[in-house]
Amino acid sequence: DAGVIQSPRHEVTEMGQEVTLRCKPISGHNSLFWYRQTMMRGLELLIYFNNNVPIDDSGMPEDRFSAKMPNASFSTLKIQPSEPRDSAVYFCASSSGGGALFHGYTFGSGTRLTVV
Amino acid sequence: SQELEQSPQSLIVQEGKNLTINCTSSKTLYGLYWYKQKYGEGLIFLMMLQKGGEEKSHEKITAKLDEKKQQSSLHITASQPSHAGIYLCGADTNAGKSTFGDGTTLTVKP
Repeated sequence: DAGVIQSPRHEVTEMGQEVTLRCKPISGHNSLFWYRQTMMRGLELLIYFNNNVPIDDSGMPEDRFSAKMPNASFSTLKIQPSEPRDSAVYFCASSSGGGALFHGYTFGSGTRLTVV
Repeated sequence: SQELEQSPQSLIVQEGKNLTINCTSSKTLYGLYWYKQKYGEGLIFLMMLQKGGEEKSHEKITAKLDEKKQQSSLHITASQPSHAGIYLCGADTNAGKSTFGDGTTLTVKP
């Protein structure tokens, strides 16, 4: 398996532009997580899906952020409009356990977003 | 909400020395994970602990979960430059999602 695949690896965009981050989870994993990592805040859970359904989006910072999972093999995180404070590394992770306990997550390599 | 506190925040050791990183939870741990991260890269899963008193080892890294299941330690024996990176502990909450500590940055001097 190729692991969790994220694209793009790097994204530089101007303030106000729309940004879309993509994730392909590991085949057979039924849970998908979007995280954001910054030096100031560490690793923060933004939203997670179980069987393509959003379960908890309480970590999404504001309405500018939205996430979708149209099918079991694809998810997007969209920021519209983007702001400089959104600059961070965004990670996608998947797991074979959804909502249950004792499951480790496999992380993608991340998307480094810079908003100028 | 459950919080994880890691100590120390950063650690510099001489190659060959042993070291320990701690992870303390504000609530009972149902599942505790250790990850390693190189700066700017994804997290790599190291090991998972579930039961109080459990201990697991992989090469020169040993992790333990205490009996009360509120603290875990990660011990590296005879550290090498390849061990350098950021170590994060993560835990399952009973809300079905995970929370992470802030990480411990390890530097190993050759």
